[in-house]
Amino acid sequence: GEDVEQSLFLSVREGDSSVINCTYTDSSSTYLYWYKQEPGAGLQLLTYIFSNMDMKQDQRLTVLLNKKDKHLSLRIADTQTGDSAIYFCAESIGNTGKLIFGQGTTLQVKP
Amino acid sequence: DVKVTQSSRYLVKRTGEKVFLECVQDMDHENMFWYRQDPGLGLRLIYFSYDVKMKEKGDIPEGYSVSREKKERFSLILESASTNQTSMYLCASRRQGINEQFFGPGTRLTVL
Repeated sequence: GEDVEQSLFLSVREGDSSVINCTYTDSSSTYLYWYKQEPGAGLQLLTYIFSNMDMKQDQRLTVLLNKKDKHLSLRIADTQTGDSAIYFCAESIGNTGKLIFGQGTTLQVKP
Repeated sequence: DVKVTQSSRYLVKRTGEKVFLECVQDMDHENMFWYRQDPGLGLRLIYFSYDVKMKEKGDIPEGYSVSREKKERFSLILESASTNQTSMYLCASRRQGINEQFFGPGTRLTVL
């Protein structure tokens, strides 16, 4: 079945780059997503990438997709304390609108 | 701005009680979803609905049911709450054919 895996925790210093990694199993995924969850809040879509792309950049965010290895990463440049949150990777399944989420990576940014 | 609201932020119930979690969206979205979020497990899909009066089981539907009588409202029902249903419950909605799901703030349910 479909599965999405992430490491659970990442700690970086303010101003450094953060890289959050994700692996997925379903090669038919059409879109892959990164969601952010701040404490006490729901999830907010950060960015997404279509499966026929290998990179997408949006201001401080860079998404890399290696479709052969089924590996997705999110790079946050110049990480700020406000970036502290849980980051979820998700893949879409066909045209159903269903998403399969990873476990979430807690990003801790130290001043 | 899309707004997805959930009826309660925090809820405490007793084992065996019937529990209703309500979700309302104001953007006329066709699709609505209920997830539960547990540490180390991420979000898992309980039920979803493509449109009014339609429902589909997700990955973990056991112990839950849903109701979608109106397009804007999607209710999650725990027929007889158990302690293993203590969790954060998140509702989301999506316009048919559009990628993004919009999430509510979540309801943290504790079953004693």
